[in-house]
Amino acid sequence: AQSVTQLDSQVPVFEEAPVELRCNYSSSVSVYLFWYVQYPNQGLQLLLKYLSGSTLVESINGFEAEFNKSQTSFHLRKPSVHISDTAEYFCAVSGAAAGNKLTFGGGTRVLVKP
Amino acid sequence: NAGVMQNPRHLVRRRGQEARLRCSPMKGHSHVYWYRQLPEEGLKFMVYLQKENIIDESGMPKERFSAEFPKEGPSILRIQQVVRGDSAAYFCASSERREVGTEAFFGQGTRLTVV
Repeated sequence: AQSVTQLDSQVPVFEEAPVELRCNYSSSVSVYLFWYVQYPNQGLQLLLKYLSGSTLVESINGFEAEFNKSQTSFHLRKPSVHISDTAEYFCAVSGAAAGNKLTFGGGTRVLVKP
Repeated sequence: NAGVMQNPRHLVRRRGQEARLRCSPMKGHSHVYWYRQLPEEGLKFMVYLQKENIIDESGMPKERFSAEFPKEGPSILRIQQVVRGDSAAYFCASSERREVGTEAFFGQGTRLTVV
């Protein structure tokens, strides 16, 4: 069985400050990791994913996440946030046998303050 | 190309009534996933369907819940005799293939309130 833990339910941060959202997972098989973002009253959008290869993955809007197998983590970071980054962020995991079925963490609400 | 369309966006039902939630996947997508998000919780997988087939229903409650994805038309998640605990946001996602890593596109969700 797989599980995902997002340690912070809410993260307030000032504009242009860095932010890190923590994600830890547990799985008995090889995993594939994802970060999704949910803006208010909208569906989830894929932010970035790790399937294989380089353990550092980046999104087009400045976020990056690093897969750390020894620490079973996939933390999300952005060096300088914008007001528009205010949203809820979900970490998710899938295993090879599960196809595209995702197991989500509880989510982290990021509130960017001016 | 329209995204994943879910309707209605908001649905209010009295206890004991039936709720029908619809999901039209993106054009060309034949794989549909339903997730439920209870208040203050993350999304939980319910069911995975391919056209006319239920592939994985391991997350579906044993009673009152059913899902279908007919050859023509949207996927339907049906909840019979709703109870207050069914109040949640229900999200549908679709993908072009089933291989892991294939991006799943999510709809905006249906927020069900049972009164």
